[in-house]
Amino acid sequence: DTAVSQTPKYLVTQMGNDKSIKCEQNLGHDTMYWYKQDSKKFLKIMFSYNNKELIINETVPNRFSPKSPDKAHLNLHINSLELGDSAVYFCASSQDRARGPGGNGYTFGSGTRLTVV
Amino acid sequence: QQPVQSPQAVILREGEDAVINCSSSKALYSVHWYRQKHGEAPVFLMILLKGGEQKGHDKISASFNEKKQQSSLYLTASQLSYSGTYFCGTLRNQGGKLIFGQGTELSVKP
Repeated sequence: DTAVSQTPKYLVTQMGNDKSIKCEQNLGHDTMYWYKQDSKKFLKIMFSYNNKELIINETVPNRFSPKSPDKAHLNLHINSLELGDSAVYFCASSQDRARGPGGNGYTFGSGTRLTVV
Repeated sequence: QQPVQSPQAVILREGEDAVINCSSSKALYSVHWYRQKHGEAPVFLMILLKGGEQKGHDKISASFNEKKQQSSLYLTASQLSYSGTYFCGTLRNQGGKLIFGQGTELSVKP
């Protein structure tokens, strides 16, 4: 199946731990993103990579470090987890940064629900 | 910079129509619309580019007024499956950041 897949789906961890979330897309898209959705459903962009190059880096604590080994993969590593990091993290991808007529928008992964206790 | 959606929530009976609005204070290159069902990922519905176009598929359509930096999503003859949270996302330029509105929760009752 063509899709954006994220692992793990659920992540429960203690404060202070370090964790990683992995994302892979087999859609042949050029650009990948990390979004954070909080408890009020607000979707906020964190990072974006285009062909392994970081192009968007929002005001995010430097405890969050994205890494894109190739254009099909985008991982997110979080150091020293805090209670406020609890949220759903979505990976997404788009072709040509969703521009132009006939663009198909962003395809989102199923999300990783991170709970910090 | 975040677009503003209205209303925040709407409850419909099956077969009724609804309009969801999305406004930006900045000039826009394009507007996206997504629907997210509870516990699932947002799903792309459509893109509208500057030029005032209108698009639609099935009974869901949208318009984009470039001059007013506003977009509206029209849901006609609503079905139970239309329930979910609808998000608009705005791009100020080609290749820019897609910024989402706060969402509109739509509930369709039998």
